[in-house]
Amino acid sequence: GESVGLHLPTLSVQEGDNSIINCAYSNSASDYFIWYKQESGKGPQFIIDIRSNMDKRQGQRVTVLLNKTVKHLSLQIAATQPGDSAVYFCAENSRDTGRRALTFGSGTRLQVQP
Amino acid sequence: GAGVSQTPSNKVTEKGKYVELRCDPISGHTALYWYRQSLGQGPEFLIYFQGTGAADDSGLPNDRFFAVRPEGSVSTLKIQRTERGDSAVYLCASSTTSGGGEQFFGPGTRLTVL
Repeated sequence: GESVGLHLPTLSVQEGDNSIINCAYSNSASDYFIWYKQESGKGPQFIIDIRSNMDKRQGQRVTVLLNKTVKHLSLQIAATQPGDSAVYFCAENSRDTGRRALTFGSGTRLQVQP
Repeated sequence: GAGVSQTPSNKVTEKGKYVELRCDPISGHTALYWYRQSLGQGPEFLIYFQGTGAADDSGLPNDRFFAVRPEGSVSTLKIQRTERGDSAVYLCASSTTSGGGEQFFGPGTRLTVL
């Protein structure tokens, strides 16, 4: 992912609203995608994943949408809570090419206003 | 705890010194990954182990960086002749298979090179 230095894109939402975080990827061979949540001082925490044979997957309060045509991934968080405040990263790899390492995007900071 | 653990949590060293960072993966996980995260950026892949062998070391920036996993469990990342640019958080992750499934991350080691 491209670097944004110290200035992460920030999404500010009100508690209870829905949040949508977007991610673009460039590798057309990517076939596995993950969203991670990272709180300050902690390692990335798995939220939800999706494989390229799907375009939508739902979890608890979260939905991931995949548009392979435009190489775009989004994370939707329903009824956002203050505990959702963190930096969110999309990540991808390509199992078909044998590549196991994840490539991370540059991240989006989510700020939830009480 | 059952998660990935990393020691030390913080390491301050002087330019030119040698450091070792340790990772204890989740018990039974055969795949282990090292990533490096600079401030405001997503994690960047360094090296991946499947069992005791380094299956992919394409992310190591230069020959000052080396990692081992002699018994297929604990791994040590070794950095020789540290430089100020090596300052970052070093993250370790593990997964159950080499098939690109969910990677579980540790809390990271924050390395500061003065």
